[in-house]
Amino acid sequence: KQEVTQIPAALSVPEGENLVLNCSFTDSAIYNLQWFRQDPGKGLTSLLLIQSSQREQTSGRLNASLDKSSGRSTLYIAASQPGDSATYLCAVIDSGYALNFGKGTSLLVTP
Amino acid sequence: EAGVAQSPRYKIIEKRQSVAFWCNPISGHATLYWYQQILGQGPKLLIQFQNNGVVDDSQLPKDRFSAERLKGVDSTLKIQPAKLEDSAVYLCASRRGQGEGADTQYFGPGTRLTVL
Repeated sequence: KQEVTQIPAALSVPEGENLVLNCSFTDSAIYNLQWFRQDPGKGLTSLLLIQSSQREQTSGRLNASLDKSSGRSTLYIAASQPGDSATYLCAVIDSGYALNFGKGTSLLVTP
Repeated sequence: EAGVAQSPRYKIIEKRQSVAFWCNPISGHATLYWYQQILGQGPKLLIQFQNNGVVDDSQLPKDRFSAERLKGVDSTLKIQPAKLEDSAVYLCASRRGQGEGADTQYFGPGTRLTVL
């Protein structure tokens, strides 16, 4: 059974800092990996999807990397802003296209 | 393109009562998912539909939960009878399944259920 772990569980940084969120998974036979953002009381917003054949994906200030062999992914956020405050969820996609989520990292960016 | 729609947004019921949630996926998306998200946890898959057929319902508590996707479009998730531990946010998601962006799942705003 796939287990997805996210570290740290919570993070508080001052505005402008670069930061890294970590995600690890136990079964490297994944199809894709997807990073989401969740704001309080809201649904999930897809940030980046990395296919298993890719090493990284970039969107604006966000960069996600994937190392299947070591069972790890990182989400890098450059020049953080207060609007980045949210919970970030990592999800591993199996061959059936279902998502296995970690518990998330709660990020607070202070002005 | 309209997003995934869900209703109601909030529901409060007594334990042992019944409740139903509705989801309308993005037009043209063949695959529909229902997830349960308990406070402080990541979402957990309950059931996955491909068109109007069930692909995976292995984590659906079938003694009390049921779901259907009539005509391969809208879907309803029902709980009967509800228990205290069913208090959670129920998220619906859809995926195109082919073409550009085929693999990305798009989520609705969720229905927050409180069982008293």
